[in-house]
Amino acid sequence: EPEVTQTPSHQVTQMGQEVILRCVPISNHLYFYWYRQILGQKVEFLVSFYNNEISEKSEIFDDQFSVERPDGSNFTLKIRSTKLEDSAMYFCASRSRSGDNYGYTFGSGTRLTVV
Amino acid sequence: QKEVEQDPGPLSVPEGAIVSLNCTYSNSAFQYFMWYRQYSRKGPELLMYTYSSGNKEDGRFTAQVDKSSKYISLFIRDSQPSDSATYLCAMSGTNAGKSTFGDGTTLTVKP
Repeated sequence: EPEVTQTPSHQVTQMGQEVILRCVPISNHLYFYWYRQILGQKVEFLVSFYNNEISEKSEIFDDQFSVERPDGSNFTLKIRSTKLEDSAMYFCASRSRSGDNYGYTFGSGTRLTVV
Repeated sequence: QKEVEQDPGPLSVPEGAIVSLNCTYSNSAFQYFMWYRQYSRKGPELLMYTYSSGNKEDGRFTAQVDKSSKYISLFIRDSQPSDSATYLCAMSGTNAGKSTFGDGTTLTVKP
């Protein structure tokens, strides 16, 4: 079964450092998303991406965050200057254009720890 | 008031029991309703999705949506220990838009 692949699985970074989280969505999917989940809390929407541009973003997704699809397969989330409160699981998700499947396929996540 | 409220749990049932998981919501714009299963430190896995009101069945799982009451449910029949996980409801207003998730209900099925 097709998978969404995320790397790295775990990243530890110093506060103030830049991190890039990488995702390879399912190849025929057209909609891409980043969500995060702080330990013990709910899954929260960060940003959606379609047709090479951001289609929607949350209040969390401030100027410190950016997304890119640098080539036909990768989808990245960059945090420019990490804060302690950025520590969370970050999930990439994708979905096809098919009209009868409304759910996403999620990756296994990147656990980001900011120290 | 939260946009999506999920019965908090945790829920512990014996193997073979029928499990009912429930969410309520306040945003009448939600039209797409999903249930995900999440194992510890893993990504959510899509179980069921429905559009608007009605029932949908897939094996031992049944999803129900009552838009008039703003209430959705997931039923698991003949529950198995392998069903032990956290179950998340999620909803969106459009078929490709952002999803709003509930807090999750942790289910343990005891052999």
